Amino acid sequence: KQEVTQIPAALSVPEGENLVLNCSFTDSAIYNLQWFRQDPGKGLTSLLLIQSSQREQTSGRLNASLDKSSGRSTLYIAASQPGDSATYLCALKGGGNKLTFGTGTQLKVEL
Amino acid sequence: NAGVTQTPKFQVLKTGQSMTLQCAQDMNHNSMYWYRQDPGMGLRLIYYSASEGTTDKGEVPNGYNVSRLNKREFSLRLESAAPSQTSVYFCASSEALQGRYEQYFGPGTRLTVT
Repeated sequence: KQEVTQIPAALSVPEGENLVLNCSFTDSAIYNLQWFRQDPGKGLTSLLLIQSSQREQTSGRLNASLDKSSGRSTLYIAASQPGDSATYLCALKGGGNKLTFGTGTQLKVEL
Repeated sequence: NAGVTQTPKFQVLKTGQSMTLQCAQDMNHNSMYWYRQDPGMGLRLIYYSASEGTTDKGEVPNGYNVSRLNKREFSLRLESAAPSQTSVYFCASSEALQGRYEQYFGPGTRLTVT
């Protein structure tokens, strides 16, 4: 059974700092890994999707990497802003038709 | 572009009452999903539908039923609500495109069972 862990559970950084969020998984047989953002009381917004054959994806200030051999993915946020404050979730699609989610990292970017 | 829509946004039920959560998507996706989100538990899959006319159990199906009414709509029914079903419910849809299985989520329904 796939298990997904996100550490730390919460993170507070000053504005402008570059930061890395971590996602670890136990089963490397995956089709893709998806990073989401969730604002309080809202739904999930897809940020980046990395296919199994890819090593990284970039969108603006966000860069996500995937290392299947070590069971890790990282989400790099450059020059963080208060608007980046949210909970970040990673989710993996393995065999079958569902995603397995981590419990998320709650990020707060302070002025 | 509406994406995935859910109704209602909020609902309070008494133990034993029934209700149906509605979900619709306008992206012509074949697959649709129902998740629940609880503090410290992450999102857990309740049921999914790989295509119109098919449904399958997920990780936590007990106490729920689903109907894939057509390609656009996928409803979740609680026949006899229990306090343990207090949660936030999310509907999602996806389509496999060139090896990508990207899921898109609705805004959620916040359900409280007293």
